[in-house]
Amino acid sequence: SAVISQKPSRDICQRGTSLTIQCQVDSQVTMMFWYRQQPGQSLTLIATANQGSEATYESGFVIDKFPISRPNLTFSTLTVSNMSPEDSSIYLCSAGETYEQYFGPGTRLTVT
Amino acid sequence: GQQVMQIPQYQHVQEGEDFTTYCNSSTTLSNIQWYKQRPGGHPVFLIQLVKSGEVKKQKRLTFQFGEAKKNSSLHITATQTTDVGTYFCAASSTSGGSYIPTFGRGTSLIVHP
Repeated sequence: SAVISQKPSRDICQRGTSLTIQCQVDSQVTMMFWYRQQPGQSLTLIATANQGSEATYESGFVIDKFPISRPNLTFSTLTVSNMSPEDSSIYLCSAGETYEQYFGPGTRLTVT
Repeated sequence: GQQVMQIPQYQHVQEGEDFTTYCNSSTTLSNIQWYKQRPGGHPVFLIQLVKSGEVKKQKRLTFQFGEAKKNSSLHITATQTTDVGTYFCAASSTSGGSYIPTFGRGTSLIVHP
């Protein structure tokens, strides 16, 4: 298993600004992912964070809006750019060596 | 990615009753994972099933993978209030050699004491 930490845990941001969320894993892992989850809803995969290369984005998500970095096997960041109220959500990172994933506690973002 | 349909969306039970959630796919799954998310919490990995017809147990929880590997179920015997939460199944597909996870919509379990 892996222990995942995320920060910030929550933030309230003004529209038009950007927020960078950090995800730290306590061990080296092959796979890291970023998800978005609306309250009471399922998890929507934003992208796979690839170490040393550009992230792989799912349909509906683009690099200009959600730039992702993964400089090493234990750390990744997700930036939510030019935010609008529609970006208000919980953002989760996950990590794992195989198909089982371990999730961070999430970042609750509110855009006003 | 792989599409998985999960039912029911909600389930209310009296404490002590059993509970089952189902995950179905139109295509064969290579494996399936189950997660539990407590209210206000994050998803926590419970188990992975890989083999056709596989059955695994964790105390009062029984996980099953169908013979055709197109469906899976999670059964909880004699529910307790600590079982409250949303249970998600997740399946994987591969694209260009990369693993892409897809989560079902989840089943929210409400246990009435």
